[in-house]
Amino acid sequence: GDSVTQTEGLVTLTEGLPVMLNCTYQTAYSTFLFWYVQHLNEAPKLLLKSSTDNKRTEHQGFHATLHKSSSSFHLQKSSAQLSDSALYYCALSDLDSNYQLIWGSGTKLIIKP
Amino acid sequence: EAAVTQSPRNKVAVTGGKVTLSCNQTNNHNNMYWYRQDTGHGLRLIHYSYGAGSTEKGDIPDGYKASRPSQENFSLILELATPSQTSVYFCASGDGTGDTQYFGPGTRLLVL
Repeated sequence: GDSVTQTEGLVTLTEGLPVMLNCTYQTAYSTFLFWYVQHLNEAPKLLLKSSTDNKRTEHQGFHATLHKSSSSFHLQKSSAQLSDSALYYCALSDLDSNYQLIWGSGTKLIIKP
Repeated sequence: EAAVTQSPRNKVAVTGGKVTLSCNQTNNHNNMYWYRQDTGHGLRLIHYSYGAGSTEKGDIPDGYKASRPSQENFSLILELATPSQTSVYFCASGDGTGDTQYFGPGTRLLVL
């Protein structure tokens, strides 16, 4: 079955440094990949979504590129801000999951001054 | 953006009591979902629905029932609440495009 792997449970960075959160997935189908962000005491919100191989998707300073050859959809930002501190979930949706979201375990990102 | 509301926002219940969590969406999405979120477990799917009158079991349905009386409303019912059901519960609606999901603000449930 489908699965999503986020290898880092916690990432701590200094403000201004680049951010990269890893996401790899396993599926036999054509798929949609998502990044959701959840700030403290808030609901998860869609950050990025892609289904196109090798196309960079950008939103709110973050970007990710779906690479089907390596089954990856890493989240990146060139310069971290304090307000980026949050929980980040990678997820996928495809025919095998009946288009429900299969969630990764989440990465907590803490940005320090 | 999709509007999903939940009530109540906070709830204290007693063990063995009945709890009903309500969710309303105003965007005419067919799909609706109930999740719980606990530290160390991420988001776990309890029940979901593809439309009015339909409910399906998710990954952790034991101890929960769901009801979808209309396109807009989706309820989660704990017939006999237990302390292990203390959690934050999120409702979401999906637009069927992939399926992008839009979340409500969550309900914090404490079962004593």
